[in-house]
Amino acid sequence: EVQLVESGGGLFQPGRSLRLSCPSSGFSFGDYTVSWFRQAPGRGLEWVGFISSKAYSWTTEYGASVKGRVSISRDDSKSIAYLQMNSLKPEDTAVYYCARGDSSGYYFDYWGQGTLVTVSS
Amino acid sequence: SYVLTQPPSVSVAPGKTARITCGGIDIGDKSVHWYQQKPGQAPVLVIFYDADRPSGIPERFSGSNSGNTATLTISRVDAGDEADYFCQVWDNSSESVVFGGGTKLTVL
Repeated sequence: EVQLVESGGGLFQPGRSLRLSCPSSGFSFGDYTVSWFRQAPGRGLEWVGFISSKAYSWTTEYGASVKGRVSISRDDSKSIAYLQMNSLKPEDTAVYYCARGDSSGYYFDYWGQGTLVTVSS
Repeated sequence: SYVLTQPPSVSVAPGKTARITCGGIDIGDKSVHWYQQKPGQAPVLVIFYDADRPSGIPERFSGSNSGNTATLTISRVDAGDEADYFCQVWDNSSESVVFGGGTKLTVL
């Protein structure tokens, strides 16, 4: 069974940093892109960024709204992807999801359950 | 950046057909993917590459894409289909994943 499970969410002060983890199982992790998304309360889905597989040189791409504050990495030996976000703002408050992606089509077929990040003083 | 436009809401009676549109300039030249999201749950892929269904998704779900509009069609709608639906593409020019704003499907 394919599983992705986000962790690391919680309450963060503005200006601080967070690191979310996405350990995965049930598939050949190293062969897939892993992407991060977020969804603010009552809002739609927003793409944060992704990291491709080794076959695509572990390329990273980031959404315009977070570029410069975000870094996505992965450890294929442990089947884990990470999201590092710096200089947190209240508008970063959202549920953050990781998802498995298909590199050729950029669609995302398995999602984690999400982790809530709240940025507030 | 590329913009995808969805109607905020669509209502349909049980047993009828729901059609949810996703508009974008020359979207027919892109691959469109659709996700279903029920309250408090993660999104679920229901259509990829315009019209393909992942395993486990009922045949009642279908998709099409041409010109400036992609459409998700759900036939024989039942209460379990009530959810938010999001279309998504990859925009080559901005190298970004783009979502539509989402459509809330209500089963009357």
